[in-house]
Amino acid sequence: DAGITQSPRHKVTETGTPVTLRCHQTENHRYMYWYRQDPGHGLRLIHYSYGVKDTDKGEVSDGYSVSRSKTEDFLLTLESATSSQTSVYFCAIRPGQGSGANVLTFGAGSRLTVL
Amino acid sequence: AQSVTQLDSHVSVSEGTPVLLRCNYSSSYSPSLFWYVQHPNKGLQLLLKYTSAATLVKGINGFEAEFKKSETSFHLTKPSAHMSDAAEYFCVVSLPDTGRRALTFGSGTRLQVQP
Repeated sequence: DAGITQSPRHKVTETGTPVTLRCHQTENHRYMYWYRQDPGHGLRLIHYSYGVKDTDKGEVSDGYSVSRSKTEDFLLTLESATSSQTSVYFCAIRPGQGSGANVLTFGAGSRLTVL
Repeated sequence: AQSVTQLDSHVSVSEGTPVLLRCNYSSSYSPSLFWYVQHPNKGLQLLLKYTSAATLVKGINGFEAEFKKSETSFHLTKPSAHMSDAAEYFCVVSLPDTGRRALTFGSGTRLQVQP
């Protein structure tokens, strides 16, 4: 997925350990999002950012925190992972202006397994 | 508030036959509407978007969708299915001036294409 990369792509961890997922973009887009995807639930918004150091909660933010210290990086942290956080996590970016203002571009996803 | 409902969680068609994936939305304002496709183990890719111009929108890979305000619908169609169309499809709604707010995803429709 051009312009947006997620790392790691796969991670297995144990309950109670901290985990950080990274989203990196080279498009200079203002808005960045973290979603989780689970069977039967589609995509659910965890947190989003509308600028450096400006973030807000989504619909399933409990147990997650985010940080955005630079335009290009948006970090998602699970302070103490639980089995219910086993999921595929997608980062997305959006310009916020111009003809494609509302178009999301997605990363390839990060598959997290919490044992 | 806005919401989107995908009326079928699974659709199965034979190769070469038409595809219809149904989406209804609810929005207090004139919305922007999108269809995204997700192939197995991949991120989401934009198929097409409606942003208050022509009501019939053409997308990639022969897909198109028609915005019907009276029916609050944005169904996705393709005249002839191909094996490579097998994927999950998401209908998405957003307000025209989304600002900080994110887009709302439907729960997805899994399309199977039988040989």
